[in-house]
Amino acid sequence: DVKVTQSSRYLVKRTGEKVFLECVQDMDHENMFWYRQDPGLGLRLIYFSYDVKMKEKGDIPEGYSVSREKKERFSLILESASTNQTSMYLCATLKGVSYEQYFGPGTRLTVT
Amino acid sequence: QKEVEQNSGPLSVPEGAIASLNCTYSDRVSQSFFWYRQYSGKSPELIMSIYSNGDKEDGRFTAQLNKASQYVSLLIRDSQPSDSATYLCASAGDSGYSTLTFGKGTMLLVSP
Repeated sequence: DVKVTQSSRYLVKRTGEKVFLECVQDMDHENMFWYRQDPGLGLRLIYFSYDVKMKEKGDIPEGYSVSREKKERFSLILESASTNQTSMYLCATLKGVSYEQYFGPGTRLTVT
Repeated sequence: QKEVEQNSGPLSVPEGAIASLNCTYSDRVSQSFFWYRQYSGKSPELIMSIYSNGDKEDGRFTAQLNKASQYVSLLIRDSQPSDSATYLCASAGDSGYSTLTFGKGTMLLVSP
């Protein structure tokens, strides 16, 4: 089974803090993704990566950056957290040519 | 702009009935389609993938794809209260990147 883990289930941070969210997968998948999910807005793609050190902007990259130094690890960084970044953050990996995505358990981030 | 449309629901069915969830997509080049189940507060879980026209059955679940009509559906037979969740439809095209377009989901409520 694919296993995708995220560093925290719940996180509370203050406005202006730098926030790191980590995602680790154990299935050797090339592609990894970061989404946020908000009521009424659905899943929105922030960034994705198709290889080590490669990254592509998704639909809402503003205020975020990412890092992929190793194949199994994909980090999302909030440079200066703001209250409108309070959300559920979901990491996902993609299995080969099947396009099947597998999600981690999510991190519910609250910025106060 | 690629779009995947779903009725937000809730769709209410009694226990033991067939639940029918529908999805339409705008991108004619989409080749792969997925259904995810998401319980409240949890991350999406892949339950069905379908790649060719027709029906695909897996236990109580049947996915149906009609590319000419750009329509995907999920049937859940013998619905159980544990099927109560939000169901997300997603499509993948031939964009060169392995990204999915997600619908906002349909909430299903199965009453005992």
